[in-house]
Amino acid sequence: QVQLVESGGGVVQPGRSLRLSCAASGFTFSSYGMHWVRQAPGKGLEWVAIISYDGSYKYYADSVKGRFTISRDNSKNTLYLQMNSLRAEDTAVYYCAKDLAQGATAGTFDYWGQGALVTVSS
Amino acid sequence: DIQMTQSPSSLSASVGDRVSITCRASQSIASYLNWYQQKPGKAPKFLIYATSSLQSGVPSRFSGSGSGTDFTLTISSLQPEDFATYYCQQSYSTPQTFGQGTKLEIK
Repeated sequence: QVQLVESGGGVVQPGRSLRLSCAASGFTFSSYGMHWVRQAPGKGLEWVAIISYDGSYKYYADSVKGRFTISRDNSKNTLYLQMNSLRAEDTAVYYCAKDLAQGATAGTFDYWGQGALVTVSS
Repeated sequence: DIQMTQSPSSLSASVGDRVSITCRASQSIASYLNWYQQKPGKAPKFLIYATSSLQSGVPSRFSGSGSGTDFTLTISSLQPEDFATYYCQQSYSTPQTFGQGTKLEIK
């Protein structure tokens, strides 16, 4: 069965950095695009970033562009989100999510991890 | 970016009721509309893709319809486990965007 397990969340001061990881299992990780989606406390869902199955295509929400970097290591079945210059408004639960389509990117999230809480506070 | 607007924002209903949630896109998204269910403290669960296709394992009481800019999620007979928040999401263009959510509560 598909499993996505995030790690790396925590409390960080504004302006500092944090890296999230998402360990994938139960499917051929190297064949699927992957996403990060976040949810601020008590708020709705916000898509953050996408990476294609081979890492050749990446795209970011305007709110994180230039500060966050999505990457993947297909040899380790792991997705990453490097978050730099963190702001209070980045406080959220961050979910990694698998794309529905194999090869191409459907922009549809069929499996989600349990989430990692990132709190940006001094 | 395409804006997604759900209505109502909250809804009270009873077990056995038929309920519908509406989602409107700020421009045509053809049939690129998905639905998710989220319970408190849990990750979202994928319910419906491409407007009306049920994800494997999703009960048949859930259905979706619409095209263009107007879409509907219908639950034909509410069960206790259906009380949750529902989100629509467009996959027509990047950035993918979500509606603000509809909280379905027990009356």
